[in-house]
Amino acid sequence: EPEVTQTPSHQVTQMGQEVILRCVPISNHLYFYWYRQILGQKVEFLVSFYNNEISEKSEIFDDQFSVERPDGSNFTLKIRSTKLEDSAMYFCASSWKRDYEQYFGPGTRLTVT
Amino acid sequence: SQQGEEDPQALSIQEGENATMNCSYKTSINNLQWYRQNSGRGLVHLILIRSNEREKHSGRLRVTLDTSKKSSSLLITASRAADTASYFCATVPQGGNNRLAFGKGNQVVVIP
Repeated sequence: EPEVTQTPSHQVTQMGQEVILRCVPISNHLYFYWYRQILGQKVEFLVSFYNNEISEKSEIFDDQFSVERPDGSNFTLKIRSTKLEDSAMYFCASSWKRDYEQYFGPGTRLTVT
Repeated sequence: SQQGEEDPQALSIQEGENATMNCSYKTSINNLQWYRQNSGRGLVHLILIRSNEREKHSGRLRVTLDTSKKSSSLLITASRAADTASYFCATVPQGGNNRLAFGKGNQVVVIP
């Protein structure tokens, strides 16, 4: 069964460093998303992406964040200058159509020290 | 912003029993989705119910939606130890964006 994959599973970085989190969505899906979950808290929406552009972003997704679909399979989230409060589990998700099921990857645990 | 909000409860049940958890939300929705998360791992999609549906089944799962009360319930029948997990509801608002708004989750422990 097709699934969303994410790499790396765990990333440790120092404050101020740039990180890129990678995702491979399900191949025939058209909508892509990033969410994050700070330990013990709710899963929070960051950004949605469709047709090679951001369709919506949350207040969390400030200028430090960017997303890209560099080729036909990868979808990346970049954090330019990480902060301690960026430590969280980051989930990528994809859906075939708008308003359809969103399938999540296993997550990347980002630890900023 | 609207939120899916589960009843803040932790369930501990014996294997074979049924588990029910509830979710309420504040504004009109397009659909509501239930997810399972095993400790520290990814979110597994369980079921999606649309605003014009009242009940949906998938295997041992039964989801109901009451849009007049802005609430949903997830029933797991004949629970198994492998059902031990956190369960989240997430809503997609009506008219516009496609972001999922998650609740805090219900911890379910099934005792063998």
